[in-house]
Amino acid sequence: DQQVKQNSPSLSVQEGRISILNCDYTNSMFDYFLWYKKYPAEGPTFLISISSIKDKNEDGRFTVFLNKSAKHLSLHIVPSQPGDSAVYFCAAPNRDDKIIFGKGTRLHILP
Amino acid sequence: KAGVTQTPRYLIKTRGQQVTLSCSPISGHRSVSWYQQTPGQGLQFLFEYFSETQRNKGNFPGRFSGRQFSNSRSEMNVSTLELGDSALYLCASSPEPADYGYTFGSGTRLTVV
Repeated sequence: DQQVKQNSPSLSVQEGRISILNCDYTNSMFDYFLWYKKYPAEGPTFLISISSIKDKNEDGRFTVFLNKSAKHLSLHIVPSQPGDSAVYFCAAPNRDDKIIFGKGTRLHILP
Repeated sequence: KAGVTQTPRYLIKTRGQQVTLSCSPISGHRSVSWYQQTPGQGLQFLFEYFSETQRNKGNFPGRFSGRQFSNSRSEMNVSTLELGDSALYLCASSPEPADYGYTFGSGTRLTVV
């Protein structure tokens, strides 16, 4: 049972434009969400998080939006830069504090 | 501040063998978690250790085991390797359990032939 779903395996965006990465979840008990970014041959790095008491969290070029009724969150990157090309994982800790990851979305920033 | 260090970076083993992977967390971090990353399944939780005790375990067979030492360093062991165990094994550390902003190591790429 995939509790955190990233339905787009890949996404291509023009440099300077907005990148929107989507994530859906099925477990209504999730109350905290994280985004990680991963470059090839490196481990994932923590990017941004959001608590379920908020619907938006912003950190520089990165904004995460949470729609609890739709069980959906999205990561917006504005403006997109070449260094943003990476795999992005959406994740949420379950009640046992295990972090459940989505399968990731590979973002390509085009010149 | 040194990051999370995993050794070795690459490993090739044959079916039936066993393997031990090592993880040194960031200094002061006491919680260590292990994940398996495969192309089809993404990152899957293996186990979490804190204060030398396994705090959480994922849905993996008993061939996968781990331990944590008093200095917080952790090892994971896979016995009787199968081809399907080929994956990137990632270790992540955090100061305490439920401190979700993990810092990951670069991983150990295990290939089973």
